[in-house]
Amino acid sequence: EDKVVQSPLSLVVHEGDTVTLNCSYEVTNFRSLLWYKQEKKAPTFLFMLTSSGIEKKSGRLSSILDKKELFSILNITATQTGDSAIYLCAVEAYGTASKLTFGTGTRLQVTL
Amino acid sequence: GAVVSQHPSWVICKSGTSVKIECRSLDFQATTMFWYRQFPKQSLMLMATSNEGSKATYEQGVEKDKFLINHASLTLSTLTVTSAHPEDSSFYICSARPEMGSRNNSPLHFGNGTRLTVT
Repeated sequence: EDKVVQSPLSLVVHEGDTVTLNCSYEVTNFRSLLWYKQEKKAPTFLFMLTSSGIEKKSGRLSSILDKKELFSILNITATQTGDSAIYLCAVEAYGTASKLTFGTGTRLQVTL
Repeated sequence: GAVVSQHPSWVICKSGTSVKIECRSLDFQATTMFWYRQFPKQSLMLMATSNEGSKATYEQGVEKDKFLINHASLTLSTLTVTSAHPEDSSFYICSARPEMGSRNNSPLHFGNGTRLTVT
């Protein structure tokens, strides 16, 4: 059974801090790993990673995948209160018709 | 980009009644859509995979007679919660991915979800 474990479960930081969120996984026939941000409603897409060692970047957010060690990290630099959300990591396997397996998420709170 | 629309955003119903939730892919066709459920402070759990023109595939522990799924066209899937009970109160989210052309490698996109409260 596919499995995704995220850490930490929750995190409180001050505005301006840098945070690193972790995601480890076990999946048969790995296709991709995805990061989503969830505020009050449904998740919004951040990154999709398929290859090891290639950093993806979007503004203050970046993410990288290690397929050998089976983990990914999501970095947020110069955090802002608007970054407060639940960050979800999910994996997709080949042959599962795009079905995603989600981790429990990391709840990030950025305070002033 | 790919857009998934879900309706209604929230619904309150009485115990024993049925509620229908619609999921539409607005600018792409999807032969497969996914229905997730999320309880407070928990992650998304896949309930079922909706297949256009055929029966849905349900995850273990999800009652197919209680959660009826109909994928009537390439852009519409519906989830009907039948004989709803308070324990069915949850956040239901659908997702889909473009399956044709250059967007085939795009990620799953989610609707805005439906918050169901059964009283």
